[in-house]
Parts: sequence; C-alpha cells; structure tokens
Amino acid sequence: DARVTQTPRHKVTEMGQEVTMRCQPILGHNTVFWYRQTMMQGLELLAYFRNRAPLDDSGMPKDRFSAEMPDATLATLKIQPSEPRDSAVYFCASGLGPDGLAVSSYNEQFFGPGTRLTVL
Amino acid sequence: KNQVEQSPQSLIILEGKNCTLQCNYTVSPFSNLRWYKQDTGRGPVSLTIMTFSENTKSNGRYTATLDADTKQSSLHITASQLSDSASYICVVISNDMRFGAGTRLTVKP
Repeated sequence: DARVTQTPRHKVTEMGQEVTMRCQPILGHNTVFWYRQTMMQGLELLAYFRNRAPLDDSGMPKDRFSAEMPDATLATLKIQPSEPRDSAVYFCASGLGPDGLAVSSYNEQFFGPGTRLTVL
Repeated sequence: KNQVEQSPQSLIILEGKNCTLQCNYTVSPFSNLRWYKQDTGRGPVSLTIMTFSENTKSNGRYTATLDADTKQSSLHITASQLSDSASYICVVISNDMRFGAGTRLTVKP
C-alpha cells in the first residue's frame, strides 16, 4: 500500500556532525512537507515543496538546515553542523494539492513514521 | 501565547465512554482546521479537515465541529476504544500552519 517512507528511523550523532534525513513521498503526490516535533515545542512546520520547488522554508534555521528535492521520489533534510537542540523527531508528509497555491490549499497530508534524531 | 489552544492537556476515560476535546484559536485569516491522531512513536494521521463553511464532519466514531464565529472546534469521540489512546492535535491553516500542543487521551479498560 502507498505510504511515506523515511530513513533512517533513528539517528544518534555527535554535535558538529552532518545529518541527512531522507523521505520518499507517496507516488504521484506533488507536495512534500518537513516537520519537527519536540516535547517542548510540539509540531513545527520547517519547509514545504510543491512540484519539487521550495515554496516556504521560513520555519527552518537557515544557517544550518537545508531542504531539497532532487527528484520527485526523494526529499532530503540536512543539518550541518548539528547541535543538541536539534534533537527531535523529524516528520515528512506528502499530499496532493492544486498547483501554485500555498499551504492553505485544501489537501490532505500523509505523514511518514519519522526520524528520531539525537545529537549528543 | 499560542494561537491554537487545546484542552484538556490530558484526559483519562474508561473504555466505552464518550469524550470531547476542545480547540480554540485566534488565527486569522482562516482557511481550514484539521484534527490529527498521533499514536505513540508514529506520525500523525488525519481525522478531519474542515473549511469555514463546514459546521460538522464525521469520520467513524470521530465527529468534529467548527464554530468559525467563536473560533472554536471540538472533537467528539463516541464509544471510546483502547485504540483511541493517542495524542490529538488541532491544526489551523491560515497563511501558514498553527499547531496546538495536543491532548493526550488515555482509554482504560
């Protein structure tokens, strides 16, 4: 059955190391979202893409985070250098939305299982 | 102050009982409001999506209501089951996304 997949599921790294998280959206979905979830802050939207183009990454710390979609089947979120405060669960979600509209478009999102990141 | 407030923060009920979760928001302009269920260790799963003109929407034993005038939404769970134990997150979509902190529901046998 169609589902969003994320790798790795768990990652433990040391401060200063580069971390790359990968997401495979559901085939045919044109919108991909990256979220971060912590106990303190809850869910936060980091960035989202439509038709592989970044539409909004204002929720992402620009100095160390970068998000890309090299092709329609792969989205990546990189942290370089990682810091202990980046420890969180990172979720990817995909959906199908009308072209050209922002996040307010009426489309359902399907979440992946998440990557639990621990930065020591 | 969070623009999306959920209450209660946590709730414990007995299996078979009904419960109602609240979501109050101050977000403007409003596009749509979503309720998600998140099981421990998993990603959120969409329960309902409601636009400005929708007052009620059901998904099985889950019924969401929306009063756009008072900016309040509720999620009613009927005849609760053990599998309903999860966090329930309210999300208000405007020009961006505003997330509630969630309600942690525990259903006990």
